[in-house]
Amino acid sequence: AQSVTQPDIHITVSEGASLELRCNYSYGATPYLFWYVQSPGQGLQLLLKYFSGDTLVQGIKGFEAEFKRSQSSFNLRKPSVHWSDAAEYFCAVGPPTGTASKLTFGTGTRLQVTL
Amino acid sequence: DGGITQSPKYLFRKEGQNVTLSCEQNLNHDAMYWYRQDPGQGLRLIYYSQIVNDFQKGDIAEGYSVSREKKESFPLTVTSAQKNPTAFYLCASTSADPGRWIKPQHFGDGTRLSIL
Repeated sequence: AQSVTQPDIHITVSEGASLELRCNYSYGATPYLFWYVQSPGQGLQLLLKYFSGDTLVQGIKGFEAEFKRSQSSFNLRKPSVHWSDAAEYFCAVGPPTGTASKLTFGTGTRLQVTL
Repeated sequence: DGGITQSPKYLFRKEGQNVTLSCEQNLNHDAMYWYRQDPGQGLRLIYYSQIVNDFQKGDIAEGYSVSREKKESFPLTVTSAQKNPTAFYLCASTSADPGRWIKPQHFGDGTRLSIL
């Protein structure tokens, strides 16, 4: 069965500092990986996705993520955090093809940004 | 602009009452999903539907029911059998061609359900 682990429940960084959110997955085949962001009381917005190709993927809002098959990881990074990045971040894994994508989500990491 | 509309934004349920959460999309997506979100537990799949008039149970379907009579609509009913319905409910959709790469899911803004 597929699973996703986000080991950090809560992270606090200063504005302008770099950020790395961790995501480890368990999946029997080549996974389709996602990072979503959720502001309070809102739905989820897709930041970036990975299936194949270059293992470093660029997303919106200046985020990037690196797929490391040997470590079963898909960590999210941003070089310089802005106060507006404070939100909850979810990593998800799913099958790359099929008639419907059943995604498995991690439990999320809440990011707090101090000024 | 295309998107997913969930209504109402807030909903209150009395004991023994069924309530229905609305989800409408104008993205022409084939597949639709309902998730439940509780603090610290991420998103858990309740039901999903790949085509009209067909749907499958997700991981936590007990106490919930759905219908898919139109491609655009996928309402969720929280029945009185669901003893702990207080949560944030999210609807999502995606286009999907069999055998081809899945597209990412798009999400609505959610409905927060509380018990009176």
